[in-house]
Amino acid sequence: KAGVTQTPRYLIKTRGQQVTLSCSPISGHRSVSWYQQTPGQGLQFLFEYFSETQRNKGNFPGRFSGRQFSNSRSEMNVSTLELGDSALYLCASSTQGTGELFFGEGSRLTVL
Amino acid sequence: AQKVTQAQTEISVVEKEDVTLDCVYETRDTTYYLFWYKQPPSGELVFLIRRNSFDEQNEISGRYSWNFQKSTSSFNFTITASQVVDSAVYFCALSEAVNYGGSQGNLIFGKGTKLSVKP
Repeated sequence: KAGVTQTPRYLIKTRGQQVTLSCSPISGHRSVSWYQQTPGQGLQFLFEYFSETQRNKGNFPGRFSGRQFSNSRSEMNVSTLELGDSALYLCASSTQGTGELFFGEGSRLTVL
Repeated sequence: AQKVTQAQTEISVVEKEDVTLDCVYETRDTTYYLFWYKQPPSGELVFLIRRNSFDEQNEISGRYSWNFQKSTSSFNFTITASQVVDSAVYFCALSEAVNYGGSQGNLIFGKGTKLSVKP
C-alpha cells in the first residue's frame, strides 16, 4: 500500500511569493491534516480536511489555506510568503475514527 | 488548554542501554488520546502507539514499552536495549476523543526528544 506522498519535497521561494503544496493520502483515507514544523515552534497543526470539508483549523493567519478534492488529495497554499514561513510542511492521512495519522516525508520550504 | 511537555530535549546513550523518554500532558477533557511518534532523519513521522484515557494498562511491544499514569498525567516511553537504529526524534502527542465526525487530525505535539544511540 503506497504511503502518503507529498510534492514537491524541496522548494525555495522569495518573500511575497506564494506556494502550493500537494498531498496524496493513502488510498481509502478520507481525512487529511497538515502540520508545520519549525525548530522554534515544533509541530503545529494547520488544518484538517475530511470529505472535501475543512473540519478544523489551527491558529495560523489567513495566508495559509487549503482544500481537498473529491479523490481525497489535498493542497495547501501560502500566499505572500514571509521568512518565518520557512519550515517543513507535513501532511498526514487517516481513516475515520482511528486517530492514527500516517505522515508523508514533508515538503521543505525555504523562503529567502 | 491542552499541552504536552517533553522536558528532555536531547538524550545520548550507548547501545544496549535502556532509555526512558518522559511525557507530561495537560488537558481538561476526560476522554482523550495519547500518542508517540518517531521521526527519523528522513522527516516522516512514524506512528508508534495510541492510548486512550480509559486504558491505563502498560503496553509492551518488543523492546518498546509505555507507562501511562493518569494520576501524574504522564505517558512515558522506554526503549530497552537501545540500538543505533533507534536514533531519532520522538514526539509525544495528545488529541481530544476521536468521535465519528469529530476532529481526529488535530494533535497537540510536544517539542520532541532527540535520542542519539552511539555504538
